[in-house]
Amino acid sequence: DGGITQSPKYLFRKEGQNVTLSCEQNLNHDAMYWYRQDPGQGLRLIYYSQIVNDFQKGDIAEGYSVSREKKESFPLTVTSAQKNPTAFYLCASSRWGPPADTQYFGPGTRLTVL
Amino acid sequence: DAKTTQPNSMESNEEEPVHLPCNHSTISGTDYIHWYRQLPSQGPEYVIHGLTSNVNNRMASLAIAEDRKSSTLILHRATLRDAAVYYCILRDYRNAGNMLTFGGGTRLMVKP
Repeated sequence: DGGITQSPKYLFRKEGQNVTLSCEQNLNHDAMYWYRQDPGQGLRLIYYSQIVNDFQKGDIAEGYSVSREKKESFPLTVTSAQKNPTAFYLCASSRWGPPADTQYFGPGTRLTVL
Repeated sequence: DAKTTQPNSMESNEEEPVHLPCNHSTISGTDYIHWYRQLPSQGPEYVIHGLTSNVNNRMASLAIAEDRKSSTLILHRATLRDAAVYYCILRDYRNAGNMLTFGGGTRLMVKP
């Protein structure tokens, strides 16, 4: 089955700790994305990657870091510098290039800072 | 990307058609109109997209106004499983980048 997996589904973290969220895809997509969603709000882009070993900041990158060492994987680290990290985190992937193409989303990770 | 305006919420009865409106008065000639929906506690999923002509697929239909300043997502027979937040998003097809800008969307409630 092709798709995107995110783990864990729920994550609890103590204030001041870094935490890494996993995202894996087997759709052979070049592009991958991380979004953050707060309750009752739309999604906001954190980082995206067009190709392996390259990534770009989105609208709200402060306090987050990513890596793209393999085409299939795009982990997101929420650092202690992120002031309000409690949120629902969504990973997505797509082909890259015009015309605009469909994004496929994972099931999300709900992060709670205690 | 150009901005879209959608009602915050709508209600429908099960097995009746639902028309979800979207206004995009500043749309440019190269903007595609995309619709995604997000079921509770899940990631968004693609529904449909179009440029100028009306579009149909197994999930829904997309009716685009002649001046392209508005569009309507049509669910032909709403089911309880269609209760979700529906997002209308514009994407410029000239851009290789595929980032989606999500607004607040329309929360659709389906009554049995």
